[in-house]
Amino acid sequence: AQSVAQPEDQVNVAEGNPLTVKCTYSVSGNPYLFWYVQYPNRGLQFLLKYITGDNLVKGSYGFEAEFNKSQTSFHLKKPSALVSDSALYFCAVRANAGGTSYGKLTFGQGTILTVHP
Amino acid sequence: DTGVSQDPRHKITKRGQNVTFRCDPISEHNRLYWYRQTLGQGPEFLTYFQNEAQLEKSRLLSDRFSAERPKGSFSTLEIQRTEQGDSAMYLCASSPSSGRASGTQYFGPGTRLLVL
Repeated sequence: AQSVAQPEDQVNVAEGNPLTVKCTYSVSGNPYLFWYVQYPNRGLQFLLKYITGDNLVKGSYGFEAEFNKSQTSFHLKKPSALVSDSALYFCAVRANAGGTSYGKLTFGQGTILTVHP
Repeated sequence: DTGVSQDPRHKITKRGQNVTFRCDPISEHNRLYWYRQTLGQGPEFLTYFQNEAQLEKSRLLSDRFSAERPKGSFSTLEIQRTEQGDSAMYLCASSPSSGRASGTQYFGPGTRLLVL
């Protein structure tokens, strides 16, 4: 079975400061890892993904994430936070291709990011 | 930009009624997924289609739930004899099976269901 843990329900950061939203995962085999953002009463917007290759992945809106296989982590980062980054962030994992479960994503509980002016 | 669309966006129904939701994926995407999201939780997988074939169903998808994708394009999710516990946001996502974006699921705005 695959699972995702987002250990922080909330992250608060001042505008202009760096931000980190943590994610650890468990999956059989090599993982596909994703970050999505959700604004109130909206669907999920794709930010970035790790499939293979460089452990540092760059995505939309200046976000990046670092894949760490030994720590089974995929933390989301941004060097300088904006007030408009305030939203709900989800980390997700899926197993690499193969088997019958390769399609579905398993999501974490989400982390509310609040960026203060 | 023709993203994933869902209809209706909101649905209020009484316990015991049947409801049906529609999802139109991005046109060239042959994979389609349904998820359910309750307040304060991450989305949970319900079912997955590749073209018109339903290849995986979660144990969350009880006998009261049925999903179809008859022509491999739009999909419907029907809930029969709704219960208050069915109140949630129902999300649809689609992805291509090849190319740079393969494996990335793009989500629609969701249908928020409230069962009274």
